[in-house]
Amino acid sequence: QKEVEQDPGPLSVPEGAIVSLNCTYSNSAFQYFMWYRQYSRKGPELLMYTYSSGNKEDGRFTAQVDKSSKYISLFIRDSQPSDSATYLCAMSRDTGFQKLVFGTGTRLLVSP
Amino acid sequence: ETGVTQTPRHLVMGMTNKKSLKCEQHLGHNAMYWYKQSAKKPLELMFVYNFKEQTENNSVPSRFSPECPNSSHLFLHLHTLQPEDSALYLCASSQERGRSSDYGYTFGSGTRLTVV
Repeated sequence: QKEVEQDPGPLSVPEGAIVSLNCTYSNSAFQYFMWYRQYSRKGPELLMYTYSSGNKEDGRFTAQVDKSSKYISLFIRDSQPSDSATYLCAMSRDTGFQKLVFGTGTRLLVSP
Repeated sequence: ETGVTQTPRHLVMGMTNKKSLKCEQHLGHNAMYWYKQSAKKPLELMFVYNFKEQTENNSVPSRFSPECPNSSHLFLHLHTLQPEDSALYLCASSQERGRSSDYGYTFGSGTRLTVV
């Protein structure tokens, strides 16, 4: 079993749709959860960061962590064509960040 | 320049060639990393340097040889690679246990390596 599972997609949605991206994980020691966005021919960039369980909102983006279910989500409201990218979840056990474990990434396509 | 800069952006090399990838960070971070990104696979951590000292070698074959002369520069020396080594090689940096606003890694744009 992989430590982090993420559906590779692609996920195709029309502009304006609400997008839900998800990851499941097996290691209950993970406490720090991140979402990265990677555009084509670019490196990943940090989008959202959460610690432990709960929600965090930043503009059109909401990150949600459910540690009891070992499940994390990223919601994108009013999706735009510029949101088309690959979204990678990542998580770690401590603040050192040296042991980030990544999902495979989900490719999102938002059509105008 | 700001952020993490990687050169070259693209590299095609034969299996008998020797080449090097370069990474430079302008963020004052104290940790640097090499990752390998292959299609439909998670990012694979290859090497970690913390304060110029290698702290992780994730069972990487010896045909990949890292070098970190200072906390701002990181190299990946390549020799006698195999076609399956073709991938996007990403460099990243982070501030280890730094300011509370420094979360996660800052990645470069990567070097797209093709081994023929």
